[in-house]
Amino acid sequence: DSGVTQTPKHLITATGQRVTLRCSPRSGDLSVYWYQQSLDQGLQFLIQYYNGEERAKGNILERFSAQQFPDLHSELNLSSLELGDSALYFCASSVDFAGGYNEQFFGPGTRLTVL
Amino acid sequence: AQSVSQHNHHVILSEAASLELGCNYSYGGTVNLFWYVQYPGQHLQLLLKYFSGDPLVKGIKGFEAEFIKSKFSFNLRKPSVQWSDTAEYFCAVNAGPMDTGRRALTFGSGTRLQVQP
Repeated sequence: DSGVTQTPKHLITATGQRVTLRCSPRSGDLSVYWYQQSLDQGLQFLIQYYNGEERAKGNILERFSAQQFPDLHSELNLSSLELGDSALYFCASSVDFAGGYNEQFFGPGTRLTVL
Repeated sequence: AQSVSQHNHHVILSEAASLELGCNYSYGGTVNLFWYVQYPGQHLQLLLKYFSGDPLVKGIKGFEAEFIKSKFSFNLRKPSVQWSDTAEYFCAVNAGPMDTGRRALTFGSGTRLQVQP
């Protein structure tokens, strides 16, 4: 158990719908990262939040957005869903102090199936 | 932009065989390198990491990796694999200035290891 929790574990929805994935980081970690794992694209970085602010963006579609709340949990919102959005979505957390690198701890993931 | 290549997509070994999984990255500056393992149905777990210093890094479960800067490589090794090592292995890199706070990982495509009893 990494200490990072994600809900729900599984999500099945239809094309065109909107879903919200939730991540709670480890206690004390300020950074939350979202990654997408799909068969054709592999593991890709989507977006990072640090202490409530967006810090970096990766290959995140405009239909996707995220936020980090004052209690540091984060939500990834996926809208106008397409079949190709079916994937495993991981969140990771890290303490991320300035000037160094800290390990990222991954959550169990949310498996999204778009029908 | 940085990228990571894992040459072996699927490796099948018998128990007690030695393992070496290749990983090459493209980035000319300072890098932090990682190997993660994903057991079936589980989340990614860190096997080992390299930040600086001794290029031979030892991780958990008997795994080690060697950073060869001149070859831009960070290959994973284990002298004798067990059935329980069956999993997917991902090499990852974080590159760039440390003061930006941008620490996202770039992952390779993964290597599926199947160990036969």
